[in-house]
Amino acid sequence: GAVVSQHPSRVICKSGTSVKIECRSLDFQATTMFWYRQFPKQSLMLMATSNEGSKATYEQGVEKDKFLINHASLTLSTLTVTSAHPEDSSFYICSAYRATGNYGYTFGSGTRLTVV
Amino acid sequence: DAKTTQPNSMESNEEEPVHLPCNHSTISGTDYIHWYRQLPSQGPEYVIHGLTSNVNNRMASLAIAEDRKSSTLILHRATLRDAAVYYCIPDNTGNQFYFGTGTSLTVIP
Repeated sequence: GAVVSQHPSRVICKSGTSVKIECRSLDFQATTMFWYRQFPKQSLMLMATSNEGSKATYEQGVEKDKFLINHASLTLSTLTVTSAHPEDSSFYICSAYRATGNYGYTFGSGTRLTVV
Repeated sequence: DAKTTQPNSMESNEEEPVHLPCNHSTISGTDYIHWYRQLPSQGPEYVIHGLTSNVNNRMASLAIAEDRKSSTLILHRATLRDAAVYYCIPDNTGNQFYFGTGTSLTVIP
């Protein structure tokens, strides 16, 4: 099957610091990966779409300078939350798209970010 | 992107069938209908997808209306592990996969 690994699963950081979240497709190459944010009791909100080797496309209202996305290889995308503040505390989820086979979109298990 | 309408919540008794409806009246002709579910504090999990014909897999069945403006996810025998939020998502391109509000399914023992 298609497996996406996301790391770390939980992270606590101090306000003003930066946090990096990794998303890896373990058994397939993903030309496109997606990053979502989910607040409690709410649905997933798409933040950005990253394509390997090119700049990410951010959804309206998402600050690109605050949420840095790098998709340097076909199996790895990273999201860096810069100068984190308590309001950035959320559940961040990545997804990788596999165009071949019957897998479509595969999601990571999510990262719980708490900014204190 | 096609908008979807799903009931906010549904309940089912354990071991009974569950029919989860989704309205996607603005779906385009080439959009697949995807269904995912999300357990608390986990990433979404693929359930099933289809284009025009009804689909079956080991997890569920998907019934698609002839005009494709609605679909129904069928869990044949609900178990406690099926308690989750279920999302239907029309999509085709592999670009921008948007979630609606989904249906929170409660399974009663």
